[in-house]
Amino acid sequence: SQQGEEDPQALSIQEGENATMNCSYKTSINNLQWYRQNSGRGLVHLILIRSNEREKHSGRLRVTLDTSKKSSSLLITASRAADTASYFCATDRGSYIPTFGRGTSLIVHP
Amino acid sequence: GAVVSQHPSWVICKSGTSVKIECRSLDFQATTMFWYRQFPKQSLMLMATSNEGSKATYEQGVEKDKFLINHASLTLSTLTVTSAHPEDSSFYICSAESAGGNRVEQFFGPGTRLTVL
Repeated sequence: SQQGEEDPQALSIQEGENATMNCSYKTSINNLQWYRQNSGRGLVHLILIRSNEREKHSGRLRVTLDTSKKSSSLLITASRAADTASYFCATDRGSYIPTFGRGTSLIVHP
Repeated sequence: GAVVSQHPSWVICKSGTSVKIECRSLDFQATTMFWYRQFPKQSLMLMATSNEGSKATYEQGVEKDKFLINHASLTLSTLTVTSAHPEDSSFYICSAESAGGNRVEQFFGPGTRLTVL
């Protein structure tokens, strides 16, 4: 069964706005990763956050992790039309094999 | 970063035929590769774990005789969809595991779109 579940399933915003996506999971994890997938393409790894970390930044991306609530969030600041894609969170199963959620489809209007 | 390629990027075939998809790690050796299937607007579902030189480990519900996996070298794994049917139409993505230092990381291929008529 899927481990991570993203929320919302779809998000539509204007360029320049911030986009926030959430991910909830069910069991304990070693780390949580966020990926991006452009339509019909492969996955691009965005960021990994370990279970002992609470926040991580990478450029315009900010990821938080709350292990007590079993949830993570991905914030994209100052969004651009090129950020339009699907975003997936993935939790490991203790062997570095990511288990993916259904994803959030983000549309950024220029 | 490490690069993983897949070939073909898309394929259309008739029902009943077999289709082979290749996954290559271009600039690193991958002892382990993974095959995923993704239906439209759905998540990636792990199908099997492919280990070089040994039999693949299939996830529950995945037919090993239908989805043949061969990992004959450290840079190549193949997935053969045998006797394909329209319900096998999907986006197939592979990933290759790279171990460097104390960190294991997966790199994903661009995917193969299979359409079975």
